[in-house]
Order: sequence, then structure tokens, then C-alpha cells
Amino acid sequence: DTGVSQDPRHKITKRGQNVTFRCDPISEHNRLYWYRQTLGQGPEFLTYFQNEAQLEKSRLLSDRFSAERPKGSFSTLEIQRTEQGDSAMYLCASSNPADRPTGELFFGEGSRLTVL
Amino acid sequence: GQSLEQPSEVTAVEGAIVQINCTYQTSGFYGLSWYQQHDGGAPTFLSYNALDGLEETGRFSSFLSRSDSYGYLLLQELQMKDSASYFCAVDLNRDDKIIFGKGTRLHILP
Repeated sequence: DTGVSQDPRHKITKRGQNVTFRCDPISEHNRLYWYRQTLGQGPEFLTYFQNEAQLEKSRLLSDRFSAERPKGSFSTLEIQRTEQGDSAMYLCASSNPADRPTGELFFGEGSRLTVL
Repeated sequence: GQSLEQPSEVTAVEGAIVQINCTYQTSGFYGLSWYQQHDGGAPTFLSYNALDGLEETGRFSSFLSRSDSYGYLLLQELQMKDSASYFCAVDLNRDDKIIFGKGTRLHILP
């Protein structure tokens, strides 16, 4: 297994457009996380899944953001009607609770969004 | 709300030892992790403390005091490649909701 993969790596869009990011976690990992990171800041929690169930979505996240993990494998993060403030790196991470107590998250390389 | 506080920047000399502190105020606590992130790269896991005390992994050690809501990452024999950002992260609940601090940028001088 090659690790967590994210697609696309870079996305430039105009304000008001919709964008979708995809994350393929490590195959045996049933937890999947989405974070957002801006320059000089730490990863900001967006949402996470246990298999196909979304466990929590950040209250800071507007209704323009939605995430799915329909078959408990890959996940998509969609941002509708993008705004310039959405420009950031969107990071996906996965983990296997059976590997606790290390609590290790494995991150993908991220999808960088630029909203013009 | 939840808060994790760590210094924004630390500078140290190659070969020396540096300590990066993290204090947290969170609604729940299952463990404290540390991650390293080089510019343009993804965060990578360094260590995890669920119980009080020191965990050692090579040149890196991590400490936790649950009663003080405090932990630190200790880096020994610093190398130039250790120049990176370091994040503490708290595991909030049994479902492993994990939140991160804002990070500490470590500068290493030759």
C-alpha cells in the first residue's frame, strides 16, 4: 500500500464555483479525517468518519462544506460556492483504531485550493 | 472551547537540545501526540503519550503531565534536517477526534 492519496493536488477556481476533493486512505484504515491548513497554522479539524459513518462535523464549517465516505473506503470533500477565504491546503488522514494506543494519523500530501 | 498552546517559534543550535512545550484546555483527553511537518510536506507522526511520564524514541522524547494539562517534545542532538514545524495534538475522545495546536516553527542554526 502506498499510503494516503489525495486528488487533485492543486485546484485553482473562481469564486462561486464548486470543487470536490478525493481521498483514498490506507486500505485497512477505517477512520478517515479531513483537516484544513493555512500558512503558518496547524491543521484545523473539519470532519471524520468511522467506516461510512460521519462521526462529527466541525461547527465552524458552513453548510457549503460536505463530506462523504459512501462505501467506507475513499472519501470526498465538496465545497459549494467557494469563497476566497476557502483558499487553503485540505489534508486527509487515516488511522486504524486497532493500532491504538499510538493514535497515529497518516496524512496525505494534501489538496491545495486557490480561490480567485 | 478547545485550546492548545505552544510557542510559535523556537531557535536552537545544531547539536544542542531543545524543548517544545504544549499546554491544553480541552473538553476531553485521551492522549497527546506530536507531529513534524517540513515545508511543503505532510505532517508525520512522532510520538504519543496517553499516560504521565516520558516516552523516548531515538533522539526524540515526549513527556506528559495530565494533572498539569501539559506536555513537551524534547529533541536531542539537533540536526539541520530537524528544521520544521512541530504540532502537538490532543485525542479528545474514545472515537479519536484529534485536534491540533497552531505549531512551533523550529529554526536550527549551524
